[in-house]
Amino acid sequence: AQTVTQSQPEMSVQEAETVTLSCTYDTSESDYYLFWYKQPPSRQMILVIRQEAYKQQNATENRFSVNFQKAAKSFSLKISDSQLGDAAMYFCAYPAGGTSYGKLTFGQGTILTVHP
Amino acid sequence: ETGVTQTPRHLVMGMTNKKSLKCEQHLGHNAMYWYKQSAKKPLELMFVYSLEERVENNSVPSRFSPECPNSSHLFLHLHTLQPEDSALYLCASSQSLVYEQFFGPGTRLTVL
Repeated sequence: AQTVTQSQPEMSVQEAETVTLSCTYDTSESDYYLFWYKQPPSRQMILVIRQEAYKQQNATENRFSVNFQKAAKSFSLKISDSQLGDAAMYFCAYPAGGTSYGKLTFGQGTILTVHP
Repeated sequence: ETGVTQTPRHLVMGMTNKKSLKCEQHLGHNAMYWYKQSAKKPLELMFVYSLEERVENNSVPSRFSPECPNSSHLFLHLHTLQPEDSALYLCASSQSLVYEQFFGPGTRLTVL
């Protein structure tokens, strides 16, 4: 079975500091995408960043970057210069079926608290 | 309207009621999805539609009945639900099954 595991139920960070959220996954596919989604208190799921497994370069979107370790099946999210608006539940997601199918499997989520 | 919209945002229903959730996407996407989000559980994929054809029915009880009349609209028809069906129901769409999904704001369903 393909699974996604987020081992940190909760994390906290001081404003302006850096925090890293962990995610591991299990797959037999060689080519696939990985996603991080953010769900703030409004409950709206927002795509934060996407990584393509065939690309060796880690994806970056402004203050958000990933550390993708394909062999270790690890996909962590780094948030730099944390802001109060970053407080949310963060989900790692993997599309079961690799790149050919949209069946997203989500991790359990990590609640991020940002302290002023 | 932009993005993915869902109506109603909140719904309270009895176990004998019949109601429908509506999702509309304004992004020109070809795939649409229903997810269930319960407290303390990961998001669960319920249904996937691609080009108006159902491509996934993830072992969902028959009291949930999806309908996709066109690529912009997705419905979830509800009947004789149970209290454990109370959850946030999220709709999403994507350009195709390959690409990232964009989510609506969800419908908070309470079954009494």
